[in-house]
Amino acid sequence: QVQLLESGPGLVKPSETLSLTCSVSGGSISSYYWNWLRQPPGKGLEWIGYIHYSGSTDYNPSLKSRVTISGDTSKEQFSLKLSSVTAADTAVYYCASVSSGNYYFDYWGQGTLVTVSS
Amino acid sequence: QSALTQPRSVSGSPGRSVTISCTGTNSDVGGYDYVSWYQQHPGKAPKLMIYDVTKRPSGVPDRFSGSKSGNTASLTISGLQAEDEADYSCCSYAGSYTVVFGGGTKLTVL
Repeated sequence: QVQLLESGPGLVKPSETLSLTCSVSGGSISSYYWNWLRQPPGKGLEWIGYIHYSGSTDYNPSLKSRVTISGDTSKEQFSLKLSSVTAADTAVYYCASVSSGNYYFDYWGQGTLVTVSS
Repeated sequence: QSALTQPRSVSGSPGRSVTISCTGTNSDVGGYDYVSWYQQHPGKAPKLMIYDVTKRPSGVPDRFSGSKSGNTASLTISGLQAEDEADYSCCSYAGSYTVVFGGGTKLTVL
């Protein structure tokens, strides 16, 4: 059973960079695509992007210019950086896994609220 | 890459059935058999309920079923129970290793 846990600052100032880390336990990090998603208050889910253990990444075209997802297999962690944030980036951020060969999110972290405000 | 269209809310009485629709395009819902549905209770993480249009993960009651016709996917919940009251979101593969979600539907059990 894969378990995911997000961590990082809950408050980020406008124009700064949002940084979050997802810690993975209970599963082989090489068997999954590791994703970040977000959900603004009262709105729907939005996929941000993924990283595979091989290092390959892909991002939502609408966020691609501001997003970097990286991984540290030795620590079984992967991270999200979102630059030049505005109030529109305020959301609950989730990390989630997709098993290789599948097209659905099978395991999710509990989510962490990030507020963008001065 | 636009969001999939879901009704904002649906409701049903205990024991009855409800269906939630999810409309996309030929580039997502209509183009692939990779639609999934997620249940989300307030303040909780999403939970996978249906994947690959019609398949149920282990542990999900068979009261939950999925289908697709053209560019519209549907989630049907039969024998409604109080604990089914939640938000439901659809998600579809959209090609080029990307996915798109619906805006979510709030299910109220009357």
